Amino acid sequence: NAGVTQTPKFQVLKTGQSMTLQCAQDMNHEYMSWYRQDPGMGLRLIHYSVGAGITDQGEVPNGYNVSRSTTEDFPLRLLSAAPSQTSVYFCASTRPRKGYTFGSGTRLTVV
Amino acid sequence: SQELEQSPQSLIVQEGKNLTINCTSSKTLYGLYWYKQKYGEGLIFLMMLQKGGEEKSHEKITAKLDEKKQQSSLHITASQPSHAGIYLCGVNSGNTPLVFGKGTRLSVIA
Repeated sequence: NAGVTQTPKFQVLKTGQSMTLQCAQDMNHEYMSWYRQDPGMGLRLIHYSVGAGITDQGEVPNGYNVSRSTTEDFPLRLLSAAPSQTSVYFCASTRPRKGYTFGSGTRLTVV
Repeated sequence: SQELEQSPQSLIVQEGKNLTINCTSSKTLYGLYWYKQKYGEGLIFLMMLQKGGEEKSHEKITAKLDEKKQQSSLHITASQPSHAGIYLCGVNSGNTPLVFGKGTRLSVIA
């Protein structure tokens, strides 16, 4: 099993550009989440999904969109990148009340 | 919303010493998770605690859950350089996603 796969691992964007961070899991997990990690801020929840076709906002959703058309995939879209979105992004998946499995992260820099 | 406070924020210990990291919740704990993150890498699941008084171990790492205090402690015995990294606690209430503390950065020096 590959677990949770995130692509790309690194990305540099110019302010105003859009892009999609990909996340895929092969464990048939119902729950998937996106977090961002910034120095001194820990992990903050952006969006999450409890199943295909169902998404909801987390703590810091502004500037990001998600969709969940399949159980396996949960892409995160940056609509118009801003320097404040420079961060490390983690995708995670789980079954209810089980340990989350995290991807290896995407390091995004917006210049 | 549920908030988690981890202490200390950072810790430097000499190899072979014991250490404790605490995680305190602002609300009732239903499930508490401990993760380790090596610098620049993803999160590795250590253990999950669900019941008051529960204690689990993973190699030389032991975690306990004190439901009354809404607190969990992570104890490392005889620390090694391989223990260095960021330790994060996370909680969820029912089926909500994990909310994390800000982490404790551990350095182990020879």
